[in-house]
Amino acid sequence: QKEVEQDPGPLSVPEGAIVSLNCTYSNSAFQYFMWYRQYSRKGPELLMYTYSSGNKEDGRFTAQVDKSSKYISLFIRDSQPSDSATYLCAMNEDSSYKLIFGSGTRLLVRP
Amino acid sequence: GAVVSQHPSRVICKSGTSVKIECRSLDFQATTMFWYRQFPKQSLMLMATSNEGSKATYEQGVEKDKFLINHASLTLSTLTVTSAHPEDSSFYICSAPGTNEKLFFGSGTQLSVL
Repeated sequence: QKEVEQDPGPLSVPEGAIVSLNCTYSNSAFQYFMWYRQYSRKGPELLMYTYSSGNKEDGRFTAQVDKSSKYISLFIRDSQPSDSATYLCAMNEDSSYKLIFGSGTRLLVRP
Repeated sequence: GAVVSQHPSRVICKSGTSVKIECRSLDFQATTMFWYRQFPKQSLMLMATSNEGSKATYEQGVEKDKFLINHASLTLSTLTVTSAHPEDSSFYICSAPGTNEKLFFGSGTQLSVL
């Protein structure tokens, strides 16, 4: 079993839809949770960074962490074609930067 | 946010040659940098941690003699793939922690070994 599981997709939605992306994990010691967006053949771009459980909102993006269920989510409101990319979740136990990544979910937002 | 510059973005080489990839932190100093490898439709796998002024730390299964890492200054780390073979073809990405303790990534290098 992988430490971090993420549905690879692809997930195809119409423009304007609300997108829900998820990851589950097995290591209860994870405390720092991140979402990265990666366009094809580019480096990942940090979208959201959260510590422990709870919600965090930034513009059209909302990150949720449920440590009791070992489940994290990223919601994208009013999705745009420019949101089409692969979304990677990442997490670690401390701030040592040794991140464990999910395999990424490919999102396609249709105009 | 912090900017990490990686060069080249793409390289094609013959089997048996060596390839050097550079990773620079442009507006901050990085005593530590990280090198990842990503195969198509797979996640990023940490290869090694580059430490300024000391030896790199390699993850299990990564050959240190094949993937030479040098971190000679606070803004530059290099990864050299020695005697590259077709199985080394992959997307290599570096990263560095910014001043706000978040990890920032370079734009990646697509290596194709013929």
